[in-house]
Amino acid sequence: QVQLQESGPGLVRPSQTLSLTCSVSGSSVKSGSYYWTWIRQSAGKGLEWIGRIYVSGDTNYNPSLKSRVTISLDTSKNQFSLKLTSVSAADTAVYFCARRNFWNSFPIFDYWGQGALVTVSP
Amino acid sequence: DIQMTQSPSSLSASVGDSITITCRASQPILSYLNWYQQKPGTAPKLLMSAASNLHSGVPSRFSGSGSGTDFTLTISSLQREDFATYYCQQSHTAPPTFGGGTKVDIK
Repeated sequence: QVQLQESGPGLVRPSQTLSLTCSVSGSSVKSGSYYWTWIRQSAGKGLEWIGRIYVSGDTNYNPSLKSRVTISLDTSKNQFSLKLTSVSAADTAVYFCARRNFWNSFPIFDYWGQGALVTVSP
Repeated sequence: DIQMTQSPSSLSASVGDSITITCRASQPILSYLNWYQQKPGTAPKLLMSAASNLHSGVPSRFSGSGSGTDFTLTISSLQREDFATYYCQQSHTAPPTFGGGTKVDIK
């Protein structure tokens, strides 16, 4: 079955770069059927879409984060990654990776990782 | 961005009750509306897509309706495993956005 798993440091210092990796099993990041997505959840802003990447390498980012976000793909490891620069306490959140699929042309997030808590603190 | 507003933000109910959660979009989104269920410490789980299509494995006591800007999620005959937080999400216009959630707890 499809599984996604986030990994990375749970504590990041302010102004540093947050880096997370999502390892995918049971589905291929090389498939042209899906977008690979990052979503975060914080007490202050709820669920917030960060961005996505396609097998071609094309990316789309939330305009509110675009200047600080990079999402990349590693097809050899069946993984994709998130980098968020110049973090502050406002970036403290649980970060989820998810697969964006379609149902009858309607976009859905059908599989999610368990989530990784990242705290930004000195 | 399209704002998604859910109401109520929380409700208390008993096993066997029927409940309805409302989601309103700040602009028309046709039927590009998904519902998710989240339990503490876990990821959101897809319940419904296209406003009214039950995802695979989701019990038929869940139903959804609506189009345009106003949508509802109804759970008939609440079961103990349904006590959770529910989120709506629009997929009509980038960036996708979520409602603030409705927490359903036991009365």
